Amino acid sequence: QKEVEQNSGPLSVPEGAIASLNCTYSDRGSQSFFWYRQYSGKSPELIMFIYSNGDKEDGRFTAQLNKASQYVSLLIRDSQPSDSATYLCAVSGANNLFFGTGTRLTVIP
Amino acid sequence: DVKVTQSSRYLVKRTGEKVFLECVQDMDHENMFWYRQDPGLGLRLIYFSYDVKMKEKGDIPEGYSVSREKKERFSLILESASTNQTSMYLCASSLLLAGENSYEQYFGPGTRLTVT
Repeated sequence: QKEVEQNSGPLSVPEGAIASLNCTYSDRGSQSFFWYRQYSGKSPELIMFIYSNGDKEDGRFTAQLNKASQYVSLLIRDSQPSDSATYLCAVSGANNLFFGTGTRLTVIP
Repeated sequence: DVKVTQSSRYLVKRTGEKVFLECVQDMDHENMFWYRQDPGLGLRLIYFSYDVKMKEKGDIPEGYSVSREKKERFSLILESASTNQTSMYLCASSLLLAGENSYEQYFGPGTRLTVT
C-alpha cells in the first residue's frame, strides 16, 4: 500500500504570511506529484503538479520536490482568507493517484 | 477545460434500495474513478476503469459495483444501500499514461448520499 502522509492541521497563518504545507510519501518509484485544494463541501481542484526535483512556481504558489527525501511541499505566498481550505497531496502510482488525508489551512484576516 | 459532471448533488435513499450514481466526462479521458470521502479518512478509491467495459477494484469495493458501457460515462451502483454508505461520492477522470506514472485527475462536483 503506497502511503502519503500529511499533517492534518489545522494550520493557521495570518493574512499576508507564507503558508507551508508538507507531504511525505513511501514509494520511491513515484514520478508525479500533485496538490489539490478543497473548499468545504466542494470537490478537489488541481492547483499544482511537479515532476522534477526542485521548485516550480505558479503565481503565489510554489511546489517543491525532493525525491531523495521523498518529500513534496507547497508554499503559498501572501496568503489570503480565500486560501482557507484543505490541501490534498497526491502521488502517482500505476494509472492511479494516491492521496493524503489533507491539511486544513486557515488564513486569519 | 475538463468537465466532469455527476447526476445528483444530493441524494437521500432508504436502506436496501439500489442506488445508481452517474458520472460523465467530456474530455475523452480513458481513466475514470469513483471515490468516497469521509471526515478523517480522506479519499478512498472504490473502483476505477481504464477502458470501456474494463474495471479494477480499488481499496473499498465491497458493497459497490460499476459499469462503463461508453467511454464518457462511468456508473457506480450500490446494490443494497446501507447506512454506512452515507458519504460524499466523487467521480474523477484522467488521461491514461503507461508505466508507473499517472496524469492529474479532474473531479466532478460530488454527490452527497444519505442512506436512512
